Amino acid sequence: KNQVEQSPQSLIILEGKNCTLQCNYTVSPFSNLRWYKQDTGRGPVSLTIMTFSENTKSNGRYTATLDADTKQSSLHITASQLSDSASYICVVSAYNTDKLIFGTGTRLQVFP
Amino acid sequence: EAGVAQSPRYKIIEKRQSVAFWCNPISGHATLYWYQQILGQGPKLLIQFQNNGVVDDSQLPKDRFSAERLKGVDSTLKIQPAKLEDSAVYLCASSLMDRTYEQYFGPGTRLTVT
Repeated sequence: KNQVEQSPQSLIILEGKNCTLQCNYTVSPFSNLRWYKQDTGRGPVSLTIMTFSENTKSNGRYTATLDADTKQSSLHITASQLSDSASYICVVSAYNTDKLIFGTGTRLQVFP
Repeated sequence: EAGVAQSPRYKIIEKRQSVAFWCNPISGHATLYWYQQILGQGPKLLIQFQNNGVVDDSQLPKDRFSAERLKGVDSTLKIQPAKLEDSAVYLCASSLMDRTYEQYFGPGTRLTVT
């Protein structure tokens, strides 16, 4: 069964600190993996997208990694800001399909 | 480029009442999706349109949910009658269906059924 699991469920950090969110998936055949940021009351916004051949991609202070062999991904946030408070959702696509398989998300709260 | 528009943003109704949500996708996007996102969960696909035809509605509770996409542009999602468990955020997304299959999400409609 195609599944995406994320950890931790929630995370609290202080402003300026770094953090790493984890994603494990069982989707096969794998096509790509996305990390979305979802602010409260808003729809998800894509941060990064990685295909099978890519193992790291950055978007400003966000860096995603992908290990296609172990089927794991991480999202590292550097020098966190208050505006980083949001849910971060890992989303995986199977090959040659537009269907997205969503994780349940990690709720990040950044405090001053 | 304007994003995906949805209205209303919030709606509170009593159980057994009816409700309708509207979505206007990004111009030129042929594919439109409706998702249901229950608090603490990832979005669940309800229905997918390609132009004005339904591609996938396998997870749509057809006894109470209906959706249409007139003229292949705007779309409406209706619930009749609503149940308490329908309380969720309803997200609309659109896509060009290019090789990235990138979906762009609207802000969602938060529905509370009391």
